[in-house]
Amino acid sequence: QLQLQESGPGLVKPSETLSLTCTVSGGSISSSSYYWGWIRQPPGKGLEWIGTIYYDGTTYYNPSLKSQVTISVDMSKNQFSLTVTSVTARDTAMYYCVPDVGATAAYWGPGTLVTVSS
Amino acid sequence: QLVVTQSPSASASLGASVKLTCIVSSGHSRYAIAWHQKQPEKGPRYLMKVNSDGSYFKGDGIPDRFSGSTSGAEHYLTISSLQSEDEADYYCQTCGTGVWVFGGGTKLTVL
Repeated sequence: QLQLQESGPGLVKPSETLSLTCTVSGGSISSSSYYWGWIRQPPGKGLEWIGTIYYDGTTYYNPSLKSQVTISVDMSKNQFSLTVTSVTARDTAMYYCVPDVGATAAYWGPGTLVTVSS
Repeated sequence: QLVVTQSPSASASLGASVKLTCIVSSGHSRYAIAWHQKQPEKGPRYLMKVNSDGSYFKGDGIPDRFSGSTSGAEHYLTISSLQSEDEADYYCQTCGTGVWVFGGGTKLTVL
């Protein structure tokens, strides 16, 4: 069964870069069956799609975040990653990595909380 | 522009049924949508995908009490025999040309 696990620092200083990694188990990140995505939820707010990536490097980003985020894939480690530059308090959120199956998140992991604070 | 609209809140009594609505913006009404549940202090859970013809495909382990339907640009999540654990936020989500859009979510209160 496909499982995803987020990892990364829980605290990032304002103006710095947030980096998260998602490790995929139970399946190959190079599978043609999936895209791989990131979604976040700020405290007290709704779900916000960040972007998705295919194993060949094809990416789609939320237009409102496009200038700030990069998603990449490392097939050798069966991982994909998220980078958010120049973070502010608005980037404080639970971050979830998900498999994109048919343009939706077929599974959700536990997520990881990232707080932006000095 | 692709926009997904949900009512902010809904309520229904224990054991009753409730129908949550998701409206996809004009010109995109034939897009499939997905429903996700977010219970307090838990991660989100995928419920189902609803196609434009009204057919729906549920995630693993989703009870029969949950069903989906469609009428034009309006998509519905119906929960019957409401239980206390159904009290949660419910999000509708669609995708257009690779870009996902979530609705603002509906907070369901079970009375």
